[in-house]
Amino acid sequence: ETGVTQSPTHLIKTRGQQVTLRCSSQSGHNTVSWYQQALGQGPQFIFQYYREEENGRGNFPPRFSGLQFPNYSSELNVNALELDDSALYLCASSRDNRETEAFFGQGTRLTVV
Amino acid sequence: DQQVKQNSPSLSVQEGRISILNCDYTNSMFDYFLWYKKYPAEGPTFLISISSIKDKNEDGRFTVFLNKSAKHLSLHIVPSQPGDSAVYFCAASGGDDKIIFGKGTRLHILP
Repeated sequence: ETGVTQSPTHLIKTRGQQVTLRCSSQSGHNTVSWYQQALGQGPQFIFQYYREEENGRGNFPPRFSGLQFPNYSSELNVNALELDDSALYLCASSRDNRETEAFFGQGTRLTVV
Repeated sequence: DQQVKQNSPSLSVQEGRISILNCDYTNSMFDYFLWYKKYPAEGPTFLISISSIKDKNEDGRFTVFLNKSAKHLSLHIVPSQPGDSAVYFCAASGGDDKIIFGKGTRLHILP
């Protein structure tokens, strides 16, 4: 059974650019949630995808968008990057929206300069 | 407004002693509480949880206590071991199954 994998592990982007982060969910899982963990903070919920549809969104602006594919892998896209977007982005996968039973990937460290 | 608060950013405990990590919450709709452990360069891993219908849950060296009237929970680790050095996140969920995390407490186990 494969775990949750995220790519890339590290990324440096310039303010104003766009970025795409990727997440492969654990085998058998159909739900992916994305979190942003800024320095010194806990993970903050961005949004969740369940069976290719957005299923809940946190307090993030529309320039944060996502996608889930038929194999349940997912992408997080951030447009018009700002310096404050620098953070660890975590993806978590679970079965049937059961967030409290989710497994996390190792994260993507995004630095915006 | 922080709904889950971990007021101690860091804690140092001697190896073999008890580690007590504290967490407070403000939302009375939370009915499920979780603790996660995070090592550098890894994602958070689930450690232990407790439902609001219980006041204690134990799993090996880890025990979580819940005081609903005080909106307070704590994680006890006994005895503390070097591998317990990590960041611990308290998290809560209610109704919609979405998780709200605290800021974390960095635990250092001293030799």
